[in-house]
Amino acid sequence: QVTLKESGPVLVKPTETLTLTCTVSGFSLSDAKMGVSWIRQPPGKAPEWLAHIFSNDEKSYSTSLKTRLTISKDTSKSQVVLTMTNMDPVDTATYYCARIRCSGAYCYSKSFMWFDPWGQGTQVTVSS
Amino acid sequence: DIEMTQFPSFLSASLGDRVSITCRASQPIASFLNWYQQKPGEVPKLLIYAATTLQSGVPSRFSGSGSGTGFSLTISSLQPDDFATYYCQQSYNTSWTFGQGTKVDIK
Repeated sequence: QVTLKESGPVLVKPTETLTLTCTVSGFSLSDAKMGVSWIRQPPGKAPEWLAHIFSNDEKSYSTSLKTRLTISKDTSKSQVVLTMTNMDPVDTATYYCARIRCSGAYCYSKSFMWFDPWGQGTQVTVSS
Repeated sequence: DIEMTQFPSFLSASLGDRVSITCRASQPIASFLNWYQQKPGEVPKLLIYAATTLQSGVPSRFSGSGSGTGFSLTISSLQPDDFATYYCQQSYNTSWTFGQGTKVDIK
């Protein structure tokens, strides 16, 4: 059974750096057909993709947030970590990690890709 | 970034109705389009990927169509379990985006 679980602080202060950890089970971060994304969803709004990382360590970031985000993975620990600097109250949201599945034998630019499954999410509030 | 626009934003329908939700991309994205369902307080769930492929375990009353810039999610006969918010999402380039969502409510 594939599961992903997010962990991190519930409350951060403005200007602080947020560090979130996604611990996966049921699949390996070295699997060429998969990756992991971070996605957030403010209350009552649509999800917003933040970043993703693949087995070959290829990374991508949201255009609007790329200067604040860093994604990394520790394959031996089955963990993917996201850091977001200079947090602001508008960053208050539920933060999810999700497995990326790719069509074909491995993930590459022409692969169809989708999120399945998602973790349960972790609520992060930014307030002083 | 590619902007994804869904319409309608809200849809009221009755049990047994056939409903369709439209998603438009601001530029062509071939078939790099996925659909998710989210119920209140729950995690988004994958329904359809690559525009038309039904995820394993998803009821066959759900179907997806379209390519390029125009896509649709259709529920052939609305069931009680289908009242939820639906999101489209593109994976065409390296900066992925979601639509703003369509909430399907009971008439």
